Amino acid sequence: NAGVTQTPKFRILKIGQSMTLQCTQDMNHNYMYWYRQDPGMGLKLIYYSVGAGITDKGEVPNGYNVSRSTTEDFPLRLELAAPSQTSVYFCASSPPSQGSNQPQHFGDGTRLSIL
Amino acid sequence: GESVGLHLPTLSVQEGDNSIINCAYSNSASDYFIWYKQESGKGPQFIIDIRSNMDKRQGQRVTVLLNKTVKHLSLQIAATQPGDSAVYFCAENSSGYSTLTFGKGTMLLVSP
Repeated sequence: NAGVTQTPKFRILKIGQSMTLQCTQDMNHNYMYWYRQDPGMGLKLIYYSVGAGITDKGEVPNGYNVSRSTTEDFPLRLELAAPSQTSVYFCASSPPSQGSNQPQHFGDGTRLSIL
Repeated sequence: GESVGLHLPTLSVQEGDNSIINCAYSNSASDYFIWYKQESGKGPQFIIDIRSNMDKRQGQRVTVLLNKTVKHLSLQIAATQPGDSAVYFCAENSSGYSTLTFGKGTMLLVSP
């Protein structure tokens, strides 16, 4: 199993450009998440999804969009890149909680710089 | 000893020592807590978790302690090794759907 796979690993964007960060998981997990991590900080939740066709905002959703058309894929879209979106982006997945929480499994991140 | 760096609190230990990393959580309604290890250039890696109906849980070389009275969580690593050098994050869940709120992290530096 590959686990959670994120592409690309690195990207430099100009202000105002758009891009999609890809995330796919092969563990058949219902729940998927997008986080951003700024230097020296913990992770902040951007969006999450509890299953195909269902998405919801996290703590810092502004400037981002997501979609969940399949169980495996959860892409994150930046429409108008801004310098404040320079960060490392992590995708994670977990099985459904079924009454008790389950740990999230993380990809290795996409390092994004907006110049 | 423990010191506060520019960005992250840092704990420096010698190989073979026991390490204790502390975390204060914010929400008294949180019912699930988890520790992650993050190495440079990698995503967070699950270490151990604990539910609020427990006050201690042990894994391989690691122990998590939960004190709900003072909203405090700690991670103990026995016989610390250089490979344990990383940033350690605690996270809590209080909102359902397994969404997590992360702390800022502690850097553990292990000297041979």
